[in-house]
Amino acid sequence: SQQGEEDPQALSIQEGENATMNCSYKTSINNLQWYRQNSGRGLVHLILIRSNEREKHSGRLRVTLDTSKKSSSLLITASRAADTASYFCATSLIQGAQKLVFGQGTRLTINP
Amino acid sequence: DTEVTQTPKHLVMGMTNKKSLKCEQHMGHRAMYWYKQKAKKPPELMFVYSYEKLSINESVPSRFSPECPNSSLLNLHLHALQPEDSALYLCASSLRGQGGHQETQYFGPGTRLLVL
Repeated sequence: SQQGEEDPQALSIQEGENATMNCSYKTSINNLQWYRQNSGRGLVHLILIRSNEREKHSGRLRVTLDTSKKSSSLLITASRAADTASYFCATSLIQGAQKLVFGQGTRLTINP
Repeated sequence: DTEVTQTPKHLVMGMTNKKSLKCEQHMGHRAMYWYKQKAKKPPELMFVYSYEKLSINESVPSRFSPECPNSSLLNLHLHALQPEDSALYLCASSLRGQGGHQETQYFGPGTRLLVL
């Protein structure tokens, strides 16, 4: 399985601090995506990084990708209470139809 | 309109019932997906439709039957489910679902299903 592993499984920090989540995967990918899920709701796409990219920014989000180590990280800077959610990495591989395989997720809690 | 809608939000059904979950998008997307998500677990892909044709079935039991009547609608027909099928069922769509394209998926809010 190419399912990703994420660490930590849970992270609790104070508002204003930075949060870093890591994702590892097993096979070659087309791209890697990060999604956020608020409790019991649908997923929201955050950022996509292509296999030939090393770093990407979007607002307070910074994603890195190291294809040699098959790993990615998501950094959220200056965290806010509204960032409390589960964060999943998802890898895209096969051709013909886009199949996303999700990592186990990191549950992030921002304490006010 | 950048929204994927799902109905119903919640569903309780017995093991002998027949019910359907509905998903709709009006973004012109030609790929639509069903995922199943158990509590504190990641979403697991069930089915993919690309241009209204079933392109992926992840060995899902036949008590789940997908249907794509047109490019905007996706249904999941449920029959003779088991209690272990209780989960959040998520629908998603993407632009084309074709290989080589870097596509993001847009998710609906999900239907929370409880099988008694």
